[in-house]
Amino acid sequence: GEDVEQSLFLSVREGDSSVINCTYTDSSSTYLYWYKQEPGAGLQLLTYIFSNMDMKQDQRLTVLLNKKDKHLSLRIADTQTGDSAIYFCAEAGGGNKLTFGTGTQLKVEL
Amino acid sequence: GAVVSQHPSWVICKSGTSVKIECRSLDFQATTMFWYRQFPKQSLMLMATSNEGSKATYEQGVEKDKFLINHASLTLSTLTVTSAHPEDSSFYICSASLGQGFSTDTQYFGPGTRLTVL
Repeated sequence: GEDVEQSLFLSVREGDSSVINCTYTDSSSTYLYWYKQEPGAGLQLLTYIFSNMDMKQDQRLTVLLNKKDKHLSLRIADTQTGDSAIYFCAEAGGGNKLTFGTGTQLKVEL
Repeated sequence: GAVVSQHPSWVICKSGTSVKIECRSLDFQATTMFWYRQFPKQSLMLMATSNEGSKATYEQGVEKDKFLINHASLTLSTLTVTSAHPEDSSFYICSASLGQGFSTDTQYFGPGTRLTVL
């Protein structure tokens, strides 16, 4: 099956930028998503990018897509303590389901 | 907009009993709803996809007789864990989509239900 990989943990200081990386294997991916999950809660859609784009910016969030390398990243500018959560990337390719990454736990320290 | 609720948020039950979890789309009609399972510190695993008025499509390895899904209306889907056992303890999350279940239709997620089976 398709595979989506993320690093497990990232720690940053408040005010710094965070970059969360994701790699995927499905070359037919059409949309790629970033979701945020806070403890004990469901997933909140943060942003998504269509596969024919290489960058999308939405306030403090910047998504970069390198389709050739199948690499997706999420940059959070001016990271705040409220950004501490688990971040999942997900790809939508052929078929009718999303494939989620393993999740990256972001810890923001004062 | 696009709010999805789940009820209950947390349930503890005895082994052998059945538990029903509800998933509702509050401000839109969801043609398709998805049920996921998430183990601690792991990603989401899709269990099944359901379209209103038709039988759910289960992922490989998911027992359809154990995890009964009913999608009776465009705003409500239910997941019933029958004869629950401790290994069924998990975090169950539903999502709802406006579309026909194609992966490019954005999914909106519920807050999840924590099931603990003693």
